[in-house]
Amino acid sequence: AQSVTQLDSQVPVFEEAPVELRCNYSSSVSVYLFWYVQYPNQGLQLLLKYLSGSTLVKGINGFEAEFNKSQTSFHLRKPSVHISDTAEYFCAVSPPNTGFQKLVFGTGTRLLVSP
Amino acid sequence: DAGITQSPRHKVTETGTPVTLRCHQTENHRYMYWYRQDPGHGLRLIHYSYGVKDTDKGEVSDGYSVSRSKTEDFLLTLESATSSQTSVYFCAIAGTSGGAGTGELFFGEGSRLTVL
Repeated sequence: AQSVTQLDSQVPVFEEAPVELRCNYSSSVSVYLFWYVQYPNQGLQLLLKYLSGSTLVKGINGFEAEFNKSQTSFHLRKPSVHISDTAEYFCAVSPPNTGFQKLVFGTGTRLLVSP
Repeated sequence: DAGITQSPRHKVTETGTPVTLRCHQTENHRYMYWYRQDPGHGLRLIHYSYGVKDTDKGEVSDGYSVSRSKTEDFLLTLESATSSQTSVYFCAIAGTSGGAGTGELFFGEGSRLTVL
């Protein structure tokens, strides 16, 4: 079974500063990895995903993440954040080719961007 | 826009009453999911459906039942609501392109349920 750990429940940062949101996973098999974002009072939407191939994945809104198999991590980064990036971010992991029935979400990291 | 509508968006009910939440999609997707979101737990899968009348349990299915009598509607029922079922419920569909999965879930806007 998979599990996901998001080490920070909340990350405060100033506008235009860089940010990294950490995600570690445990799995005995290869995995697919996802980052979703949830803006206030909305559902989640996909930021980016790693299924295979290049370990550096670029997503929407200037976010990127790097899959590190040896460290079992999939940290999310953005070089310069905006106020509008204030949201909750969820990392998720799934075994490949199983649909979403076995998708496991982390507990979320709230990104707070201030002027 | 994945065409997902959840209703009701907000509901307050009393312990012991039945509650049904509806998820409606307009894009004929095969796979649909019900999640609950709670602080400190992230999202947890309650039930899912892989076609009309085809459903299965997720991680936290106790106290919940689902039905899917047509492709576009997936209903989540709490037969006798309890305070522990106070939560935000999200419906999701699995994205497809040309019949293959895209590796993406599309979520509705959520239904906030309070059980007093």
